[in-house]
Amino acid sequence: NAGVTQTPKFRILKIGQSMTLQCAQDMNHNYMYWYRQDPGMGLKLIYYSVGAGITDKGEVPNGYNVSRSTTEDFPLRLELAAPSQTSVYFCASSSGGGFNQPQHFGDGTRLSIL
Amino acid sequence: QQPVQSPQAVILREGEDAVINCSSSKALYSVHWYRQKHGEAPVFLMILLKGGEQKGHDKISASFNEKKQQSSLYLTASQLSYSGTYFCGTGNSGNTPLVFGKGTRLSVIA
Repeated sequence: NAGVTQTPKFRILKIGQSMTLQCAQDMNHNYMYWYRQDPGMGLKLIYYSVGAGITDKGEVPNGYNVSRSTTEDFPLRLELAAPSQTSVYFCASSSGGGFNQPQHFGDGTRLSIL
Repeated sequence: QQPVQSPQAVILREGEDAVINCSSSKALYSVHWYRQKHGEAPVFLMILLKGGEQKGHDKISASFNEKKQQSSLYLTASQLSYSGTYFCGTGNSGNTPLVFGKGTRLSVIA
């Protein structure tokens, strides 16, 4: 099983460019999440989804957008990239039944904005 | 509200024990524990729910004190493979997403 797959693994962007971070899971999980991880700061929730067509903001949504058209995919869009968005981005998924199920993480996307 | 983890970092020799604490300013409904090795993704360890029992597998266990709004992770007879950063994620209800602490960096040396 692939689990949660994130692409790309690394990316360098210039200030003002846009890009989409891809996330796909093959576990038929309803819940999906996007986190960013900065050194020493833990995981900060950007957006989450409890099912196809349903998304909601997390703690740090500014500068990002998401969509969830299928159960499998949950792409994260960065518009007008800024240096403050340099981070490691993790996508995760969990089965339904609330937020109290184990989260399965992808390997991350390391993004630098110069 | 981000939970507070302590200590921030700890160094152990193989075979020693460690305790990592996770405290919240709000009433807790659930606590998740994850371990992340350098350059890798976080990996799930265990979940504790309000009213649940202490959990554990192998030499890693955890407790949940509702009154103190705190959870503790116990690592006994530590092994080199236990090295990494441990994160707790807290939920204040079953209907809100987790908030993760800043992590505790654990280093086990021979």
